[in-house]
Amino acid sequence: AQKITQTQPGMFVQEKEAVTLDCTYDTSDPSYGLFWYKQPSSGEMIFLIYQGSYDQQNATEGRYSLNFQKARKSANLVISASQLGDSAMYFCAMREAALTGGGNKLTFGTGTQLKVEL
Amino acid sequence: GAVVSQHPSWVICKSGTSVKIECRSLDFQATTMFWYRQFPKQSLMLMATSNEGSKATYEQGVEKDKFLINHASLTLSTLTVTSAHPEDSSFYICTFRTRANYGYTFGSGTRLTVV
Repeated sequence: AQKITQTQPGMFVQEKEAVTLDCTYDTSDPSYGLFWYKQPSSGEMIFLIYQGSYDQQNATEGRYSLNFQKARKSANLVISASQLGDSAMYFCAMREAALTGGGNKLTFGTGTQLKVEL
Repeated sequence: GAVVSQHPSWVICKSGTSVKIECRSLDFQATTMFWYRQFPKQSLMLMATSNEGSKATYEQGVEKDKFLINHASLTLSTLTVTSAHPEDSSFYICTFRTRANYGYTFGSGTRLTVV
């Protein structure tokens, strides 16, 4: 079974609009972390935002916020006021606790290609 | 802080030759790191986990004799693709376990093309 599912292979958004990128996850570990990364065409992985499984509040970092719905196992990324420079591939990833055999490795979803249009 | 230097950023090699990719942490030390492979327009797939001074742990389906990982110090890890073939052409990226960015700092990646 997929641990991280991103169902939107591609998304378009108009400049200055908000966009939501979907991510659902599957784990039986009570302690886990959820990440979002941006990957431009250059290939580098840019950390955007992190949500811990025990965090009560949704994470926010500037224009990025994470809509964390634990019961539904979803961790959607919301980008507000989209800019042309936001065009990139976006990956959701999960870290599971080392004690349960996750080894602290990151497991990635398949990604969403975001295109911001004028 | 938490800067990783990965070299080379791109390399073209002939089929049958070996290629070494180096990842060096510039301002921190890390005992654990990960090597990922990414085919075009696909996700990052974990190849192996390495701990300094120990043998790497490879994911299922990754040939350990083909992808040699050496994590000889707390600041340096190398991935050697031996006897490379065109199907090994991919984007390879290293990740150190760090305190920064909630635990992971990535190298800038290496695009390998085998002709």
